[in-house]
Amino acid sequence: AQSVTQLGSHVSVSEGALVLLRCNYSSSVPPYLFWYVQYPNQGLQLLLKYTSAATLVKGINGFEAEFKKSETSFHLTKPSAHMSDAAEYFCAVSDRSGGGADGLTFGKGTHLIIQP
Amino acid sequence: DTEVTQTPKHLVMGMTNKKSLKCEQHMGHRAMYWYKQKAKKPPELMFVYSYEKLSINESVPSRFSPECPNSSLLNLHLHALQPEDSALYLCASSQVEVGTAFFGQGTRLTVV
Repeated sequence: AQSVTQLGSHVSVSEGALVLLRCNYSSSVPPYLFWYVQYPNQGLQLLLKYTSAATLVKGINGFEAEFKKSETSFHLTKPSAHMSDAAEYFCAVSDRSGGGADGLTFGKGTHLIIQP
Repeated sequence: DTEVTQTPKHLVMGMTNKKSLKCEQHMGHRAMYWYKQKAKKPPELMFVYSYEKLSINESVPSRFSPECPNSSLLNLHLHALQPEDSALYLCASSQVEVGTAFFGQGTRLTVV
């Protein structure tokens, strides 16, 4: 069974500083990996996804993530944090081993705090 | 149109009530999902419909009854819920083969 582990339930950075949110995965087959963002009282918005094409994936709002098979990692980064980036971030995995829709398994989430 | 629409946005129901949550998408997706999210927790998968057929039921109690009347609509019928069922219920859809899920804004359910 697949799983993801997000290191750090809370991450605090200053406005303009680098954002780094960590995600490690466990999967018996090549995974599909996703990062979603959730603002208070809202649904989840897809930031980016990895589906075995390029290992460096660029997403919306200036975020990107790099798939590293040797480290089983898919960390999310943004060069310069903005106040509007404050939100909950979820890493998710889908191994598609069943050949069809199987839903997503989410990490526990990381709450990103931006200090002015 | 990349939108998944959920109604209602908020719902308060008593433990003896029957209510339904509705979800609609017009992206041509043939996989639809229900997730439950408790406060400060990640979403947990409840049901998966693939080509309008229930393909995954994650051992959800029978007081939750999903229905997929056509390829654009997904319902979740609620009956005899407990206060611990209070949560944000999220609907999502995706292509069956690719799996990038698009989520609705959710229904905030409170059981009193």
